[in-house]
Amino acid sequence: AQSVAQPEDQVNVAEGNPLTVKCTYSVSGNPYLFWYVQYPNRGLQFLLKYITGDNLVKGSYGFEAEFNKSQTSFHLKKPSALVSDSALYFCAVRDFWSGGYNKLIFGAGTRLAVHP
Amino acid sequence: GAGVSQSPRYKVAKRGQDVALRCDPISGHVSLFWYQQALGQGPEFLTYFQNEAQLDKSGLPSDRFFAERPEGSVSTLKIQRTQQEDSAVYLCASSPRSLAGDSYEQYFGPGTRLTVT
Repeated sequence: AQSVAQPEDQVNVAEGNPLTVKCTYSVSGNPYLFWYVQYPNRGLQFLLKYITGDNLVKGSYGFEAEFNKSQTSFHLKKPSALVSDSALYFCAVRDFWSGGYNKLIFGAGTRLAVHP
Repeated sequence: GAGVSQSPRYKVAKRGQDVALRCDPISGHVSLFWYQQALGQGPEFLTYFQNEAQLDKSGLPSDRFFAERPEGSVSTLKIQRTQQEDSAVYLCASSPRSLAGDSYEQYFGPGTRLTVT
């Protein structure tokens, strides 16, 4: 079965420190991977995606993610965290059998708390 | 420009009532998705439209759930005879087009929080 795992329910980091939010996946074929962020009472906002090409993907708001095929991981990173980065982060993978459209399978989410 | 909008933002229904949730996608977006997000969980796929055609409804949890997009723009998700387990946030998303190998990101609305009492 295809799935995405976010092993940490919550990540705590001090402002200015680097942050990592972990994601591992299990899919058939080559994965299409996405990160979304959700602020309270708002919809999900797209951060970045990996389809093919360079393993290091840069996205919005200074976030980046590293695709690692051997470890089946797609961890989200940022060199210097801001308090405003505090939110709920979701990793997602495209369902391989979706027939050409982005039917996404989401992880359970990781709450990021950045402390001043 | 305007993003994806959903209405109502909050809905309280008594068990057994029917509800209708509306989604206005970004103008011109071909693809439209509905997701259900239970408390503390990630969104789960419900159904997918390409224009007015419902190409995938594999995620609809029961035959009480019905979705339509008759003119290929606005979509409505209807839940008949609501049950407590239907309580969740219902998210709508749209994306520009659907092609083989489509990699476009989805633009999400703010969701409708449904509470069934």
